Amino acid sequence: DTGVSQDPRHKITKRGQNVTFRCDPISEHNRLYWYRQTLGQGPEFLTYFQNEAQLEKSRLLSDRFSAERPKGSFSTLEIQRTEQGDSAMYLCASSLEQSRAFFGQGTRLTVV
Amino acid sequence: DAKTTQPPSMDCAEGRAANLPCNHSTISGNEYVYWYRQIHSQGPQYIIHGLKNNETNEMASLIITEDRKSSTLILPHATLRDTAVYYCIVRSRGGNTPLVFGKGTRLSVIA
Repeated sequence: DTGVSQDPRHKITKRGQNVTFRCDPISEHNRLYWYRQTLGQGPEFLTYFQNEAQLEKSRLLSDRFSAERPKGSFSTLEIQRTEQGDSAMYLCASSLEQSRAFFGQGTRLTVV
Repeated sequence: DAKTTQPPSMDCAEGRAANLPCNHSTISGNEYVYWYRQIHSQGPQYIIHGLKNNETNEMASLIITEDRKSSTLILPHATLRDTAVYYCIVRSRGGNTPLVFGKGTRLSVIA
């Protein structure tokens, strides 16, 4: 399968712990996006990369959140000192330039 | 913020056409209309997009009004597997803008 891959699919963590999610985009795609989705809401944009450069960050991305895409291929999203409000589905998408974006299945985070 | 308005929910009988409306009265000349859908517990899936002409692909048809202030996504023969949340999104033609999702329309296809 050459679609967008996210790992893990599910993560349960205790409040205050750090978590890291990985996204592997479609191989030739130079743009990579992270979104967060809570129950009953549409996905909310967090940040995006063009190659290894992080071009835009939403105000939703607090100081506890950091994203990287070190070699312009896979990306990681880290949340430090997790809070219950961080519980959500974290979605990754990739695209070739401004063309249509392809989404992964998401990582569901539960903070207990 | 999303630039589109959609009804929160709709029902459609299986085998009938599903017509999902979207208002985007503030759309500008260089903005496309995109449609995505999200089946429960999955990531959003691209359906179709258009600028000003009607578009059709294997999944759906997109009808954009002449003034471009509204559009309709048509699923010609809805099946139970089309039950999902459908998002209408306005996005600029060039530049670096990400997709901005609203709450979408929850379509329930009923047997």
